[in-house]
Amino acid sequence: NAGVTQTPKFRVLKTGQSMTLLCAQDMNHEYMYWYRQDPGMGLRLIHYSVGEGTTAKGEVPDGYNVSRLKKQNFLLGLESAAPSQTSVYFCASREYRAGELFFGEGSRLTVL
Amino acid sequence: TQLLEQSPQFLSIQEGENLTVYCNSSSVFSSLQWYRQEPGEGPVLLVTVVTGGEVKKLKRLTFQFGDARKDSSLHITAAQPGDTGLYLCAGRKNTGNQFYFGTGTSLTVIP
Repeated sequence: NAGVTQTPKFRVLKTGQSMTLLCAQDMNHEYMYWYRQDPGMGLRLIHYSVGEGTTAKGEVPDGYNVSRLKKQNFLLGLESAAPSQTSVYFCASREYRAGELFFGEGSRLTVL
Repeated sequence: TQLLEQSPQFLSIQEGENLTVYCNSSSVFSSLQWYRQEPGEGPVLLVTVVTGGEVKKLKRLTFQFGDARKDSSLHITAAQPGDTGLYLCAGRKNTGNQFYFGTGTSLTVIP
């Protein structure tokens, strides 16, 4: 019963480097989301997808790109990492009609 | 600026005490959810409220949605150490696709 799986769980980058976070879900959910979590700010939506091949911007999309080439996977990319992108990133998914979000365990990213 | 503000941000209480966490906004939501998050894990849904004035109970936890659907509260009776965690409210507008999370309340229950 994997649910939502995020890789990697930890990563340290230098300013200017690029990387991709992978989110995989095995629940056949239509919707997928990428959030970042910072102290005192709860979760803020970066990008989301309502189905394979679609993406949309959330509250804080600048500096990030996403792709949903397969229904079960949602990738979050950082083209040129900045220290302000140091955060814990969470992926979530949900069914088309349901409101419950299912979250992964998070990916902690540090940008030096 | 966060769409949903929670208070207090931190709460440390003794086992057996009661507490209330507030989630406030100037915006109207079609539904409001409460999640609990433990260290190193993702948030897990506790409850969803959809009707203004609605009250839902989950054992010792009572959730209320404001009449105007702009705010919500979570009340815990006789808190236990197992209630320790980060509590997050999340609002959804007009059955849209985005869920707006609150700023979070970190609760510590001391045995």
